[in-house]
Amino acid sequence: DIQMTQSPSSLSASVGDRVTITCQASQDISNYLNWYQQKPGKAPKLLIYDASNLETGVPSRFSGSGSGTDFTFTISSLQPEDIATYYCQQYDNLPRTFGQGTKVEIK
Amino acid sequence: QVQLQESGPGLVKPSQTLSLTCTVSGGSISSGSYYWSWIRQPAGKGLEWIGRIYTSGSTNYNPSLKSRVTISVDTSKNQFSLKLSSVTAADTAVYYCARESPSHSGYDYWGQGTLVTVSS
Repeated sequence: DIQMTQSPSSLSASVGDRVTITCQASQDISNYLNWYQQKPGKAPKLLIYDASNLETGVPSRFSGSGSGTDFTFTISSLQPEDIATYYCQQYDNLPRTFGQGTKVEIK
Repeated sequence: QVQLQESGPGLVKPSQTLSLTCTVSGGSISSGSYYWSWIRQPAGKGLEWIGRIYTSGSTNYNPSLKSRVTISVDTSKNQFSLKLSSVTAADTAVYYCARESPSHSGYDYWGQGTLVTVSS
């Protein structure tokens, strides 16, 4: 299985701050990476696909980059409604695997 | 607008079989090149992919669960189902059904999730 390692596991930032989350794959996955947002008690929501493409309807303050084994997810200006846990997910191989999640809180 | 809805018992006894159904509305489960998937999440933990089915009936399972998992599809009812046998407390989780996009393998539609507790 491809292991996905996210960091940090949690972070606290102020409204308006730039927030960055990293995801590292245990092997080269090209750009076969997606990012999700999960709010408490809700299903995950797809934000970014193919490492850097914004899903329809997702605010442009969210972005993603990277390829190979190292990926970055960025919120350019943190908003109160962005409080959630964020997950990366690889689809280079089966089984599909997710990172352990990064919980984003407001300072 | 596609919608997915999980249904099934919320409590299952140890060693028994967990059975869940996902009903798809707003579109035919047979149209498009979609995989229909099950994903679970223990309380306070991350997401674990269980497996998926194509409308042809072709399946893929997580090797960690493969010996206990069966996913099936009923196109006449626009449903797909999960069976997980010989459950233990470690199988207690919120179970989600989701649609996997053929273009980027992202899960673009999800059910709201259903909590299954394994306890006697």
